[in-house]
Amino acid sequence: GENVEQHPSTLSVQEGDSAVIKCTYSDSASNYFPWYKQELGKRPQLIIDIRSNVGEKKDQRIAVTLNKTAKHFSLHITETQPEDSAVYFCAASIPYGQNFVFGPGTRLSVLP
Amino acid sequence: KAGVTQTPRYLIKTRGQQVTLSCSPISGHRSVSWYQQTPGQGLQFLFEYFSETQRNKGNFPGRFSGRQFSNSRSEMNVSTLELGDSALYLCASNGLAGAGELFFGEGSRLTVL
Repeated sequence: GENVEQHPSTLSVQEGDSAVIKCTYSDSASNYFPWYKQELGKRPQLIIDIRSNVGEKKDQRIAVTLNKTAKHFSLHITETQPEDSAVYFCAASIPYGQNFVFGPGTRLSVLP
Repeated sequence: KAGVTQTPRYLIKTRGQQVTLSCSPISGHRSVSWYQQTPGQGLQFLFEYFSETQRNKGNFPGRFSGRQFSNSRSEMNVSTLELGDSALYLCASNGLAGAGELFFGEGSRLTVL
C-alpha cells in the first residue's frame, strides 16, 4: 500500500527565512497531494494542494512542487512569519474516494 | 455555512468499554472520513463513507466500525476499548466524489484508563 515519508520532523527558522518540507510517496497511482497545517489545539486545515498533472503551484508565500518520476513533493514557505509556526502534514491520495495516507508531520517553529 | 461538528469533544472510558462518536458534516457533503491522531503515529485513516456506503477502510481491527445515515451524519464505534485507543479522533467531510479538500472537525479526544 501507499507509504508517505516526510522530512524533517522538526524545523526551526528565523523570521523572514524560507522553510522547505519534503515528502516522498510510494504508490505511482496517487494523483492528489494536499498539505495541511495544524496549529496547536486546532483542527488540520488545507493550505495548498497539487494534482498529478501539475508540476508546481503557488499561493502567495506558499508553493508546492511535484516530481512524479521521483515520487516526491515539497512545500516551500517564503518570508516566514511567527504565525507560520505549526505542524505541517503532507498527504497522498489513494485512488477512488477520499482515502489519504498522511506523512508523520513536521513541526515548524519560526523564531522572532 | 456551519463546519464539521463532532460530539462529544472529550470523553474518558475504561478498558473493555465501548464508545460511539458522532460527526455531522458540512451541509451538502456526502463523504465523511474518520482519522485517528496520536503523537506517535500521526494521522491514520480509519474509514470513509459516501452515501451511506463504506467506500474505503484503513488497517484497523474489527473493533473499529462506523456507519453513515441518510442525512450524511456519521458515527464511529470502538468496542472493547484498549489503552492504545486513547487518541484524538478526527472526522472530515468533503463535497466531491473524488479526492479533494478535507474539512476537519475539531475532534473527539478519547482517553482510555
